[in-house]
Amino acid sequence: GAVVSQHPSWVICKSGTSVKIECRSLDFQATTMFWYRQFPKQSLMLMATSNEGSKATYEQGVEKDKFLINHASLTLSTLTVTSAHPEDSSFYICSASLLAQIYEQYFGPGTRLTVT
Amino acid sequence: GQQLNQSPQSMFIQEGEDVSMNCTSSSIFNTWLWYKQDPGEGPVLLIALYKAGELTSNGRLTAQFGITRKDSFLNISASIPSDVGIYFCAGDFSGSARQLTFGSGTQLTVLP
Repeated sequence: GAVVSQHPSWVICKSGTSVKIECRSLDFQATTMFWYRQFPKQSLMLMATSNEGSKATYEQGVEKDKFLINHASLTLSTLTVTSAHPEDSSFYICSASLLAQIYEQYFGPGTRLTVT
Repeated sequence: GQQLNQSPQSMFIQEGEDVSMNCTSSSIFNTWLWYKQDPGEGPVLLIALYKAGELTSNGRLTAQFGITRKDSFLNISASIPSDVGIYFCAGDFSGSARQLTFGSGTQLTVLP
């Protein structure tokens, strides 16, 4: 149980284009999903907290107009990187928490984004 | 923001040896979680701790929530090659926000 999937697992895009990453909780409902960014050999950096049916809460320093988050259902959240630039290249990971176990987060496999 | 100090940063051990790593914080945490991350994958939850003093095992893994609520350790007994990876501690101090603060990670290498 508590399986989270992400799609795509990797993507290469040209500078200036937009990329959408999907995060799905496959066998449970998640009112809250989280989006993280991870650089090589570094820890996870929280970008935003996404609640179903409401606007995402972004961490300080994260541009909400650049990283668009939509959490339309209890099993799906999407992150769109708009007008991507090479510095946006990173490993993006989502996580979801079970309704009854609010502090345990279950992570997706991550999406490797490379902007050329 | 809050920070967790995780140590050691990396470890090289022989197969069969026991391993210990820990995290400390200057703030009181409500929850401690331990994750393992393999290269190119998302972190996998190993153990979750909710009460001060709590000692929990998951197979060869044992973790404890410090009495002061400012620290936690993870022990791995009789290490095997598949234990290789990065181990992260994570804690919650923000209560209802459900946000986790992650440690910097411990890179574990198990030598045959």
